[in-house]
Amino acid sequence: AQKVTQAQTEISVVEKEDVTLDCVYETRDTTYYLFWYKQPPSGELVFLIRRNSFDEQNEISGRYSWNFQKSTSSFNFTITASQVVDSAVYFCALKNDMRFGAGTRLTVKP
Amino acid sequence: DAGVTQSPTHLIKTRGQQVTLRCSPKSGHDTVSWYQQALGQGPQFIFQYYEEEERQRGNFPDRFSGHQFPNYSSELNVNALLLGDSALYLCASSPLAGAADTQYFGPGTRLTVL
Repeated sequence: AQKVTQAQTEISVVEKEDVTLDCVYETRDTTYYLFWYKQPPSGELVFLIRRNSFDEQNEISGRYSWNFQKSTSSFNFTITASQVVDSAVYFCALKNDMRFGAGTRLTVKP
Repeated sequence: DAGVTQSPTHLIKTRGQQVTLRCSPKSGHDTVSWYQQALGQGPQFIFQYYEEEERQRGNFPDRFSGHQFPNYSSELNVNALLLGDSALYLCASSPLAGAADTQYFGPGTRLTVL
C-alpha cells in the first residue's frame, strides 16, 4: 500500500525565516513519482514540482528547494527567506495512484 | 491558454438528492481525474477518465459515478447525497493517463449537503 505522511500539521514562522516542510512516503513500487502542491486560501491546488524515483538530484527554484532521499523515503521542501505570500497549505503526493498527504498549513507572519 | 475550469463554484443540496459537477480540462489534456477534499484533509482520489472510460478508481462507493465526453470534458455525479459528502471537489487534468504526468487542478466546486 502507498502512504504519504506529513507529520507537521501547522507551522508558523516570521517573514524572512527559512522553513522546511517534511514528507515521508511508503511504496513498494520501484518507479514512482513525487509531487508538491500549494493550496492557497482560494482553494486551487498549484503544482510546484515533480520528482522521479530514479532521479535523486536536489532541485532549487528561486527561494524553493527540494531534498529527495530514497534511503529515508523522504522528499522535503524548503522555503528560504519566507514571505507572507507563501502562507498556504502544502501537500506532498505520491503517484502511481496519486495519494496525498494530509498537508502542512504554513503561516508566515510579517 | 485556459486552465482547468469547474462549475458550479458552490452548491447546496439536501440529503438524498443527486448532484452533477462539471469540469473542462486544460487545453491539450485528454485525461481527467476527480478528487474529494474534506475540510482540513488532503484530496482523496475518486476516479480517472481517459478515452471516455473510467481507467482507475479510488475507494469510493458506486454512488459516485462519472462520464467523459468526446471533447474530454467530464462530469462527476453523486447520488443519494449524505452529509459526509460535503467537501471541495477538485478536478485535475493531464496530457496522458500515465503515472509520470503532472496533474493540473481546477479551482474546485464546494458542495454542502444539509
